[in-house]
Amino acid sequence: GEDVEQSLFLSVREGDSSVINCTYTDSSSTYLYWYKQEPGAGLQLLTYIFSNMDMKQDQRLTVLLNKKDKHLSLRIADTQTGDSAIYFCAEDGNTGKLIFGQGTTLQVKP
Amino acid sequence: DGGITQSPKYLFRKEGQNVTLSCEQNLNHDAMYWYRQDPGQGLRLIYYSQIVNDFQKGDIAEGYSVSREKKESFPLTVTSAQKNPTAFYLCASSARGGLNEKLFFGSGTQLSVL
Repeated sequence: GEDVEQSLFLSVREGDSSVINCTYTDSSSTYLYWYKQEPGAGLQLLTYIFSNMDMKQDQRLTVLLNKKDKHLSLRIADTQTGDSAIYFCAEDGNTGKLIFGQGTTLQVKP
Repeated sequence: DGGITQSPKYLFRKEGQNVTLSCEQNLNHDAMYWYRQDPGQGLRLIYYSQIVNDFQKGDIAEGYSVSREKKESFPLTVTSAQKNPTAFYLCASSARGGLNEKLFFGSGTQLSVL
């Protein structure tokens, strides 16, 4: 079945880069997404990448996709305390319905 | 402001009681979704609806029911048959429910059992 895996926790110092990793199983996914959830709130779409792309950059965010290894990563440059949140990777699989990973809690230390 | 509103923010359920979580959107979206979030497990789809008066079960529909009588409203009832209801419930909507559509999320309802 479809599955999306993420590590649960990442801690970085303010100003460093953060890299959040995700693996997925469904090679038929058309789009892959990164959502951000701040404490006690819903999710907000951060960025997405089309499956035939290798990389997408949007200001401080860089998404890398290795389709062969089914590996997706999100790099946040110059991480700030306001970036502290849970980050979810998601794929649309072959049903069109999003399959979410477990979420990675990013802790940014001053 | 356009958006998606969930209420209440916090809800407590007694044993054997049904409770209903409200979700309203004024984005004119066709598709609406209910997700359950448990710590360390990510989001799991309970029910979704792509059009008024129609809805489909998601991955964990047992113990839940929904209705979609109006385009803007998609309430979720947690029935007494759901034996482990404590979780954070998120409602979402998208324009048509197709591929690469941005999901808009509400701010969630935390349900706890007394």
